[in-house]
Amino acid sequence: SQTIHQWPATLVQPVGSPLSLECTVEGTSNPNLYWYRQAAGRGLQLLFYSVGIGQISSEVPQNLSASRPQDRQFILSSKKLLLSDSGFYLCAWRGTGPETQYFGPGTRLLVL
Amino acid sequence: AQSVTQPDIHITVSEGASLELRCNYSYGATPYLFWYVQSPGQGLQLLLKYFSGDTLVQGIKGFEAEFKRSQSSFNLRKPSVHWSDAAEYFCAVGVEEYGNKLVFGAGTILRVKS
Repeated sequence: SQTIHQWPATLVQPVGSPLSLECTVEGTSNPNLYWYRQAAGRGLQLLFYSVGIGQISSEVPQNLSASRPQDRQFILSSKKLLLSDSGFYLCAWRGTGPETQYFGPGTRLLVL
Repeated sequence: AQSVTQPDIHITVSEGASLELRCNYSYGATPYLFWYVQSPGQGLQLLLKYFSGDTLVQGIKGFEAEFKRSQSSFNLRKPSVHWSDAAEYFCAVGVEEYGNKLVFGAGTILRVKS
């Protein structure tokens, strides 16, 4: 069966520091991968998606970037964090066929 | 533009009572519709989904949802709520853009009183 992992689970970082969040998927090949952010009072918003290694698309311009160095690894990064980057970051995967996305446990980021 | 509306931010029901969470969507094409549940500090768990066919879909944990195209609705129901159902519930529509992203509603927080 497929599983999705995210780490770290919780992160507290100062403003201006770098960021790296990791997401890995097991039990599937060539998944579509997604990063969403859930900010307080603002629901879930898609940040990036990837259909394959090295292929990244972003819907919303922001302070963050994403990379997919391996088929089942998706990384969210920032060079300098802003206060507004605080939130709950969720990674999701989707295989071929029906459009269902399955979510990881999330990373809670607090920027101080 | 695509959108999902969950008109109830909070709902409180007594344990054993029935539940209906409302969801309305706006999308020009045939929608893929989903309900997810999120416990505090956790990721999202898929409850059920609708792609086509029978408009009444069954999900996990005794939940069901009915797709009504004429009303652009996909309401979630459960005949008898358990205390463990307390969580936040999100309705979402899958759209063809941006890698078939999900557009989420703002969520409904369910409180269950004993």
